[in-house]
Amino acid sequence: DIQMTQSPSSVSASVGDRVAITCRASQGISTWLAWFQQKPGKAPKLLISVASTLQSGVPSRFSGSGSGTDFTLTISSLQPEDFATYYCQQAKSFPLTFGGGTKVEI
Amino acid sequence: EAQLVESGGGLVQPGGSLRLSCAASGFTLSTSWMSWVRQAPGKGLEWVAGIKQDGSEKHYVDSVKGRFTISRDNAKNSVYLQMNSLGTDDTAVYYCASYNTTWGCLDPWGQGTLVTVSS
Repeated sequence: DIQMTQSPSSVSASVGDRVAITCRASQGISTWLAWFQQKPGKAPKLLISVASTLQSGVPSRFSGSGSGTDFTLTISSLQPEDFATYYCQQAKSFPLTFGGGTKVEI
Repeated sequence: EAQLVESGGGLVQPGGSLRLSCAASGFTLSTSWMSWVRQAPGKGLEWVAGIKQDGSEKHYVDSVKGRFTISRDNAKNSVYLQMNSLGTDDTAVYYCASYNTTWGCLDPWGQGTLVTVSS
């Protein structure tokens, strides 16, 4: 199975800050990586697919980069509604696997 | 708007069984791989199982192999998760989600159904 390691597990930030979350795969996954945002009590929301493709309706302050084993989700200017937990997920092979999550908090 | 709605969760004793259902609306489920993903209280996301459009291919995470069975009824626009020999570690919110193999992503998701395994 492909292991996904996210860092940091939590980050304290302020509105307007630039935040970067990294995700490392235990083996190469090309660009088969998605990013999700989850708020308490809600289902995850897809932000980015194939490492860098922003989903329709997702603000442009979100961006994704990387290929192979190392990936980054960047929020260029944190907004109040961005405080949430973020997960990466590999889609190279079954079983699909998620990173452990990164909680973005004030 | 595509929508998935899960049902069938509840309280079950250790060793018991439960069948979850996921119904699609505004969305033809037969064109998509479907998956179940779970989230234990206060924990991260764990993909549980996936099934191909015609049901000919299924995959499971190791921890549920031999205990859980994913199935689908395209005529009813629904997917199911039969869970047997449940243990306390299976306590979680269970989400169904469409798996887009072209883009390698899970979207949309249902709102989830809570399964609690406890005596």
